[in-house]
Amino acid sequence: DTAVSQTPKYLVTQMGNDKSIKCEQNLGHDTMYWYKQDSKKFLKIMFSYNNKELIINETVPNRFSPKSPDKAHLNLHINSLELGDSAVYFCASSRGMASQYFGPGTRLTVT
Amino acid sequence: QQPVQSPQAVILREGEDAVINCSSSKALYSVHWYRQKHGEAPVFLMILLKGGEQKGHEKISASFNEKKQQSSLYLTASQLSYSGTYFCAMVGVGSGNTGKLIFGQGTTLQVKP
Repeated sequence: DTAVSQTPKYLVTQMGNDKSIKCEQNLGHDTMYWYKQDSKKFLKIMFSYNNKELIINETVPNRFSPKSPDKAHLNLHINSLELGDSAVYFCASSRGMASQYFGPGTRLTVT
Repeated sequence: QQPVQSPQAVILREGEDAVINCSSSKALYSVHWYRQKHGEAPVFLMILLKGGEQKGHEKISASFNEKKQQSSLYLTASQLSYSGTYFCAMVGVGSGNTGKLIFGQGTTLQVKP
């Protein structure tokens, strides 16, 4: 009965690889987000989808591509991984512009 | 532009009170407060939508001064479980229809027995 879930929880990979992180929410929310939290705990919005439509697209390298197959899912695909991509990636969801509920996070380590 | 939180860190004894401040250089639509424990996800505490609004959550409450573009989080009679990093997050006027949250840098709170 997890509200917002992400897989995998940990991801260790080498530079240059391509990887995906999946997110699912069972709260019936219509808006989903991806955030990046760096080693200094700074949380930054990357993308947001409302009813499968991209509404926030921050200045993120185009190696990052979100995909929302339906309102309950928002995946993040990263191409050509770099050392600087190492961080914790959080998915979140909300009903409209109300409070956001975060998933457990995916710790990505690029070696 | 990122909201500025103060203090950066605070250490309390159980039962003591604390105030965490958050200020923005931009006009605000709403203010959100989150708490994150080490290795966990940020957890929503409360949202303030109107200028001057105050909200409460157990012994944790917050105020929002729309004119000064500031918000404060009040923790009273702190408990060990209050330890963690507190983030304010603001939605600027003009971003109200996207819900774009800009997070502050966080305030680390440690409550000791």
